[in-house]
Amino acid sequence: DIQMTQSPSFVSASVGDRVTITCRASQGISYWLAWYQQRPGKAPELLIYATSNLRSGVPSRFSGSGSGTDYTLTISSLQPEDFASYYCQQANSFPLTFGEGTKVEIK
Amino acid sequence: QVQLVEAGGGVVQPGRSLRLSCAASGFTFSDYGMHWVRQAPGKGLEWVAVMSYDGSDKEYADSVKGRFTISRDNSKNTLFLEMNSLRAEDTAVYYCAKDRVGPKSFLESWGQGTLVTVSS
Repeated sequence: DIQMTQSPSFVSASVGDRVTITCRASQGISYWLAWYQQRPGKAPELLIYATSNLRSGVPSRFSGSGSGTDYTLTISSLQPEDFASYYCQQANSFPLTFGEGTKVEIK
Repeated sequence: QVQLVEAGGGVVQPGRSLRLSCAASGFTFSDYGMHWVRQAPGKGLEWVAVMSYDGSDKEYADSVKGRFTISRDNSKNTLFLEMNSLRAEDTAVYYCAKDRVGPKSFLESWGQGTLVTVSS
């Protein structure tokens, strides 16, 4: 199984800050990586798929990059609605696996 | 718009069974692979199972293999998860999710989830 190591687990940031979350796979996943946002009490929502493709309707302040085993989600200017938990997910092979999550909280 | 509505959760004793369902609407259900993903209270996301659009292929997480069975009824636009020999560690919110079109599984739409609590 491919293990996904996500960091940091917790980010304290202010509105307008730039936030970067990283995900490392235990083996190469050939750009088959997604990022999800989950607000408290809600279901996850797909933000980015295949490393860098924004899902329709997702604000352009979200971006993704990476290759091989290392991937990054960047929020260029944090907005109040972005305070949530974020998860990466590899889609290279089954079983699908998620990172442990990153909680972005208000400083 | 895509709507996924899970049902069937509840409190069940260890060792017993439960069947979850996920009613789909707003898209051609028979064209998409479908997944179950769970989230234990206060924890992260854990993928559980997937079934291909036509039911011909399925995969499971090791943690549920041999105990859980995924199935679908394309005539009724419904996905199922039969859960047997339930354990305390199966306690979680169970989400069904729709695949995004493409060669790999990105979970494009999610239901609101149904809570399964395994406790004596």
